[in-house]
Amino acid sequence: EAQVTQNPRYLITVTGKKLTVTCSQNMNHEYMSWYRQDPGLGLRQIYYSMNVEVTDKGDVPEGYKVSRKEKRNFPLILESPSPNQTSLYFCASSITLMGADTQYFGPGTRLTVL
Amino acid sequence: DQQVKQNSPSLSVQEGRISILNCDYTNSMFDYFLWYKKYPAEGPTFLISISSIKDKNEDGRFTVFLNKSAKHLSLHIVPSQPGDSAVYFCAATPTQGGSEKLVFGKGTKLTVNP
Repeated sequence: EAQVTQNPRYLITVTGKKLTVTCSQNMNHEYMSWYRQDPGLGLRQIYYSMNVEVTDKGDVPEGYKVSRKEKRNFPLILESPSPNQTSLYFCASSITLMGADTQYFGPGTRLTVL
Repeated sequence: DQQVKQNSPSLSVQEGRISILNCDYTNSMFDYFLWYKKYPAEGPTFLISISSIKDKNEDGRFTVFLNKSAKHLSLHIVPSQPGDSAVYFCAATPTQGGSEKLVFGKGTKLTVNP
């Protein structure tokens, strides 16, 4: 089954404690990205990756890091989480960069930073 | 500054009637528009798209209309079904369908009453 998986699905942590949210896709997609969804703000892109070792900033990259060492994985790293990073996070992938209408989203990770 | 606006946070319609969800945009560089549907506890899923060279695209019960001069698009669902109850996000990109500059609206929660 074609899917994008994220782990963990729910996480409560404290300010400053480094965390990683993993994202994996089994469709051999080149393009992957991370979004955050906040009430009243819709989805905003954090980072994206066009292929292995190629990443770029989205609209709200501050406080986040990503890496793309393998095609299937695109982890989101919060080196020093802060309460304003409390949000619902979605990972997405598509066959290529030019595939906004073939983009698969993961189920989401709800993060709370105390 | 919001480039993609969905001014109605919610919409309620009766089963069998038409649902019309609206979206306005400000960036004249947008050339490709998409609607995504999101159920609770799931990631968004692509629903329908339209290129700026068209003014209408139809897929079964779903039709998207684009009025470029007004910078307005709408999603029509006819007939509406209870299973259509979800949050609908309008999105736009200036890259002919590319995902890297995808901008989302805040979403409209549609409730279809039996």
